[in-house]
Amino acid sequence: NAGVTQTPKFQVLKTGQSMTLQCAQDMNHNSMYWYRQDPGMGLRLIYYSASEGTTDKGEVPNGYNVSRLNKREFSLRLESAAPSQTSVYFCASSEDGYTYSNQPQHFGDGTRLSIL
Amino acid sequence: AQSVSQHNHHVILSEAASLELGCNYSYGGTVNLFWYVQYPGQHLQLLLKYFSGDPLVKGIKGFEAEFIKSKFSFNLRKPSVQWSDTAEYFCAVSPARSGNTPLVFGKGTRLSVIA
Repeated sequence: NAGVTQTPKFQVLKTGQSMTLQCAQDMNHNSMYWYRQDPGMGLRLIYYSASEGTTDKGEVPNGYNVSRLNKREFSLRLESAAPSQTSVYFCASSEDGYTYSNQPQHFGDGTRLSIL
Repeated sequence: AQSVSQHNHHVILSEAASLELGCNYSYGGTVNLFWYVQYPGQHLQLLLKYFSGDPLVKGIKGFEAEFIKSKFSFNLRKPSVQWSDTAEYFCAVSPARSGNTPLVFGKGTRLSVIA
């Protein structure tokens, strides 16, 4: 019963490098989300996908792109990494965030990303 | 746009003390409310949620929260904390309507429980 799986768990990049963070869920959830967590800032939504085939910007989308590859997978890409993108990234999913906004989100273990 | 305020950034309590963490939101309509907990080095887990019915909601590990609509508040409480409750606690809100309604999180409150 894996839930939400994120890879990698840790990554160090140099400024300007590109990177894709992977996320997969096995709960047959329709909605998936990417957050970043920074000290004192809480969780901020980067992008979300309410259902397969759709993606929407969240609060802090600049510098990121996403792909909802299929119902299970939702990847986050940094095309040209910057030190300001050093953070812990969490992927989450919920049963149906579009129609049933009372559904809780299930989180992955996070990816700790450092950009030098 | 809705927002969530958690007034306490860091709370330090002794074991067996009572806990109340504040959460206020700004949104004029009906809302769904959540409390999540993040133990050190772990991901967020749902503590409890409210979307209708009894405004006093009971969650896991002895936590409860009360929705007071007139105060736009959803404070988290526990009568007697344990060392294992040391964690960061996040309040979150989403409007209770159909359509894209991602959660909005507060900045979190770090709870340290000392012996």
